[in-house]
Amino acid sequence: SAVISQKPSRDICQRGTSLTIQCQVDSQVTMMFWYRQQPGQSLTLIATANQGSEATYESGFVIDKFPISRPNLTFSTLTVSNMSPEDSSIYLCSVPIAGGKGETQYFGPGTRLLVL
Amino acid sequence: GNSVTQMEGPVTLSEEAFLTINCTYTATGYPSLFWYVQYPGEGLQLLLKATKADDKGSNKGFEATYRKETTSFHLEKGSVQVSDSAVYFCALKRMDSSYKLIFGSGTRLLVRP
Repeated sequence: SAVISQKPSRDICQRGTSLTIQCQVDSQVTMMFWYRQQPGQSLTLIATANQGSEATYESGFVIDKFPISRPNLTFSTLTVSNMSPEDSSIYLCSVPIAGGKGETQYFGPGTRLLVL
Repeated sequence: GNSVTQMEGPVTLSEEAFLTINCTYTATGYPSLFWYVQYPGEGLQLLLKATKADDKGSNKGFEATYRKETTSFHLEKGSVQVSDSAVYFCALKRMDSSYKLIFGSGTRLLVRP
């Protein structure tokens, strides 16, 4: 398994501002993922954070709105830029860890964002 | 394409009742299947998984069997507790090398004492 921490755990922000969310893993991992969970909804993949190259974004998500950094194999940040109330969500990072029965994705505790 | 369909919630049960949460999937090949649980105010925790047909995943009294013939991975527990109240997500891992998960819509379970 993996121990994953996120900062901040929650925040309340004003529209038009930006928030950077940090994700720290206790072991080196090749891939890290960022998900969004809108209120009462399921999880949607935002992007894959690749170490040493640009992040790979899913359809509907763009780098200008959600810039991602991946400076090393244990850390990543996701920035939510120029926020609006529609960005109010839980943002989760996850990492795949190999095991005896194939890979399993482990999730951080999430960052709860409310945009006013 | 790949997709996961879960029964809609909320599911409300009395303590010690039997639980079934249905999950069916559409995928090419043989994806890995997962159940994740999200307790109130917390992130996602892996509950159980299965990686091939007829595999049974189990944890904390919960079970799910990978049924290739019915493309299903229903979650069951024989006797639920109040502490099982949470949102349960069924998910599949795509067969390509991306490790990406596709989630169902989630099913909220409320267990009353």
